[in-house]
Amino acid sequence: EVQLVQSGAEVKKPGESLKISCKGSEYSFSNYWIAWVRQMPGKGLEWMGIIYPGDSDTRYSPSFQGQVTISADNSINTAYLQWSSLKASDTAMYYCVRSNSLQLRLDYWGQGTLVTVSS
Amino acid sequence: QSVLTQSPSASGTPGQRVTISCSGGSSNIGSNTVNWYQHLPGTAPKLLIYTNNQRPSGVPDRFSGSKSGTSASLAISGLQSEDEADYYCGAWDDSLNGVFGGGTKLTVL
Repeated sequence: EVQLVQSGAEVKKPGESLKISCKGSEYSFSNYWIAWVRQMPGKGLEWMGIIYPGDSDTRYSPSFQGQVTISADNSINTAYLQWSSLKASDTAMYYCVRSNSLQLRLDYWGQGTLVTVSS
Repeated sequence: QSVLTQSPSASGTPGQRVTISCSGGSSNIGSNTVNWYQHLPGTAPKLLIYTNNQRPSGVPDRFSGSKSGTSASLAISGLQSEDEADYYCGAWDDSLNGVFGGGTKLTVL
């Protein structure tokens, strides 16, 4: 069965860096897009960006361009979302999701990684 | 402010038919397909409808989707208590890439 397994919850201080991961299994990782979706506490889903591991083609939502970096390592079937300097407003649940195209058919979701940023 | 507009809430009684709408524009719903997601508290969202009106394997046929112009709808017939969840529409936007609606909280009375 297709699975996306995300790294565990993180508690960080403002200004710290962070890289969370999403490991895919039971499918051809390089041939499907991986998207990242944010859900802030009590809020809706927000599109952050998407990467095609096969050629590292990456697209960012204008709201997140320059704020995060999305990457992938095909050799270990893993996608990443990273911050160089966290803010309290980055506190949220982050989901990685598989998509077979750029039409937002987000068919398999990771379990989510809760990131808490607090001084 | 979400690019796709959904009513914040909807409700119905068991057995009823409920419709949730999603309004967008020419750069998103008007030129790309619409997908719907169900989000139960404490779980990851789930793909409910893709490509406007297709159901993934395992999704009951009580759920149906449609699209017309720059709007889309999700219909749930034979409403059940376990349908109580947040529902989101999503589409690709030619300028912004992915966009979601703000979500509709469905209450089963």
